[in-house]
Amino acid sequence: GAGVSQTPSNKVTEKGKYVELRCDPISGHTALYWYRQSLGQGPEFLIYFQGTGAADDSGLPNDRFFAVRPEGSVSTLKIQRTERGDSAVYLCASSAGPSNTEAFFGQGTRLTVV
Amino acid sequence: GDSVTQMEGPVTLSEEAFLTINCTYTATGYPSLFWYVQYPGEGLQLLLKATKADDKGSNKGFEATYRKETTSFHLEKGSVQVSDSAVYFCALTPYSGGGADGLTFGKGTHLIIQP
Repeated sequence: GAGVSQTPSNKVTEKGKYVELRCDPISGHTALYWYRQSLGQGPEFLIYFQGTGAADDSGLPNDRFFAVRPEGSVSTLKIQRTERGDSAVYLCASSAGPSNTEAFFGQGTRLTVV
Repeated sequence: GDSVTQMEGPVTLSEEAFLTINCTYTATGYPSLFWYVQYPGEGLQLLLKATKADDKGSNKGFEATYRKETTSFHLEKGSVQVSDSAVYFCALTPYSGGGADGLTFGKGTHLIIQP
């Protein structure tokens, strides 16, 4: 595809459930980033992958959040035991290299926990 | 920790007016600074960046200069157009080089340009 694709675009889940959010980066991009944006706030960094490995996971808020990128392309953000405070837009971005390269963002997945 | 403060919106201007959106930051070391823009219905896009003090980033008529002495990165444009209506985010990363790892964003400024 031409850009970063995120699915689903919207997800409503009940408190306590498990959710998976998918990100398809631009083909050939080795770096992948997850951010989340709460209402009225700027995006907040969660995790950065270079290839298959998490190069920086310092932004993950707690152990309910986990992300994988097993083949160095598609990534899945996993949230266990969802809480209402997890409601936000989850953004994915990718770039061609780890530094000094522009990151391209997807349109996000809007997660609502009821 | 690192933080970014930008002027609250919405900011409403007439077409062809001069634009300034203020941004100040708190960070240790030598961060890289960015402006991102989000047009209605689209994803975040990098507008411009500066990776060291006194650098000026520019794109699409927008400019911002990295001022270490005032810890600022104000966004300016001499003559705005209706198509500039969007939400603008100031951001920094503690890493040199200007990549998107560990970006800290401001809350965003909603800009509305009236014809």
